[in-house]
Amino acid sequence: DAKTTQPTSMDCAEGRAANLPCNHSTISGNEYVYWYRQIHSQGPQYIIHGLKNNETNEMASLIITEDRKSSTLILPHATLRDTAVYYCTGVRYGQNFVFGPGTRLSVLP
Amino acid sequence: DAGVIQSPRHEVTEMGQEVTLRCKPISGHNSLFWYRQTMMRGLELLIYFNNNVPIDDSGMPEDRFSAKMPNASFSTLKIQPSEPRDSAVYFCASRSGSGETQYFGPGTRLLVL
Repeated sequence: DAKTTQPTSMDCAEGRAANLPCNHSTISGNEYVYWYRQIHSQGPQYIIHGLKNNETNEMASLIITEDRKSSTLILPHATLRDTAVYYCTGVRYGQNFVFGPGTRLSVLP
Repeated sequence: DAGVIQSPRHEVTEMGQEVTLRCKPISGHNSLFWYRQTMMRGLELLIYFNNNVPIDDSGMPEDRFSAKMPNASFSTLKIQPSEPRDSAVYFCASRSGSGETQYFGPGTRLLVL
C-alpha cells in the first residue's frame, strides 16, 4: 500500500472551501485513493475515492494530480460540522486500509 | 439501512474479566473488519473475515484476543482476560464484495480498570 503524508492540522473559516492535501508518491497504478473522516467520538466515515480521474459527490470533490503522486480533498463550503480528522489512504483491490494520523481540520466560525 | 451496529457502546470492566464486543454488519456485505483505536497507535486493523472465514488475524495483539463470525450477520471480539492496556475504542466495519469501501460502526469504548 502507498505511504501517505498529510499535514497534521489545518484551519478553515466557516463557509469557505477547505482544501486538504495528501501526498502519496509511492502509489501504484492500481491503487485507489480513499478519503475518510472521523468526527469526535464517532466511527470513520467514508467520503470519496478515486483512481485517476477527479471525482465529486454530495460531500466533497477529489482532485488527483496527473502523475497520481498527490491529491486534494475539497469541501466546497465548510461548516462547523466538518470539524474532524481526515484520513487519506491508498488501497489495492483485495487489500486493506492502513490509516495514518490524518489531518485535524478545525472549521472556525 | 441501519448501518453497522455495535454493542455495547460503552463498557467498563475490571482487569481479569472477560469482555465480549458484538457487531452486526450491513446486510449483504461479505467482509467484516475489527479495528482498535488508541491515542498512541491510532487506528489498527485487528482481524478481518471474508464470507465468515477469518482471513488475516495478524493484527490481533495476543492470545487473549479472539474473534468469531458464526454467520453473515454477527461477529464477536472477545478479550479474556482483559487488561488495562486493552482500553481503547473498538470499531467494526463491513464491506460489500463489489468494492473496497468499508463502512464503520459507531464503536465500543472499552475501559479496563
